[in-house]
Amino acid sequence: AQSVTQLDSQVPVFEEAPVELRCNYSSSVSVYLFWYVQYPNQGLQLLLKYLSGSTLVKGINGFEAEFNKSQTSFHLRKPSVHISDTAEYFCAVSDPPDYDMRFGAGTRLTVKP
Amino acid sequence: DGGITQSPKYLFRKEGQNVTLSCEQNLNHDAMYWYRQDPGQGLRLIYYSQIVNDFQKGDIAEGYSVSREKKESFPLTVTSAQKNPTAFYLCASTVGQMNTEAFFGQGTRLTVV
Repeated sequence: AQSVTQLDSQVPVFEEAPVELRCNYSSSVSVYLFWYVQYPNQGLQLLLKYLSGSTLVKGINGFEAEFNKSQTSFHLRKPSVHISDTAEYFCAVSDPPDYDMRFGAGTRLTVKP
Repeated sequence: DGGITQSPKYLFRKEGQNVTLSCEQNLNHDAMYWYRQDPGQGLRLIYYSQIVNDFQKGDIAEGYSVSREKKESFPLTVTSAQKNPTAFYLCASTVGQMNTEAFFGQGTRLTVV
């Protein structure tokens, strides 16, 4: 099964600054990749997903991610963050044959005024 | 509205007792999953089921049991054999075996007292 590494456990940034949350996965076989956001004491909400096609994926709330097969990475970016983006972000991967979804440890994004 | 309902939101258990967490979905999804979330460890897969009356162990199945008698329901029992059951538990579902997006419940926070 795949494994997912989120390279930063915490990312503090100031409001309106750009941010990148890094994610690497363990294999270059055909995979589906996801980013989810979690607000305190809630479930996870899908931000964006890569299934196939264009390597640049746009999601909700102004987030985007780029799939890089050679580097087995799927980094999440936003050009200008808001206070409301403060949350925990999870990268996830799903691959054949079972397509069970595996998650990274999460990155806590804190946006400061 | 379609979605996943987990109940209860908060649950307290005495040591040595079994407890069952409920997960119901009305999305007509085939596959359902249980994850455990601990601070700094992301989501770890406990069990998953891709079809009624069938389920597979995930990475941390010891001390847990599940059943899938109906498509809509996937209850998780935390048994007394689980050494450290205090955690946040998340249930999810996907359309089918090809895991293109997971929909999550709001979670159950279990505390052993």
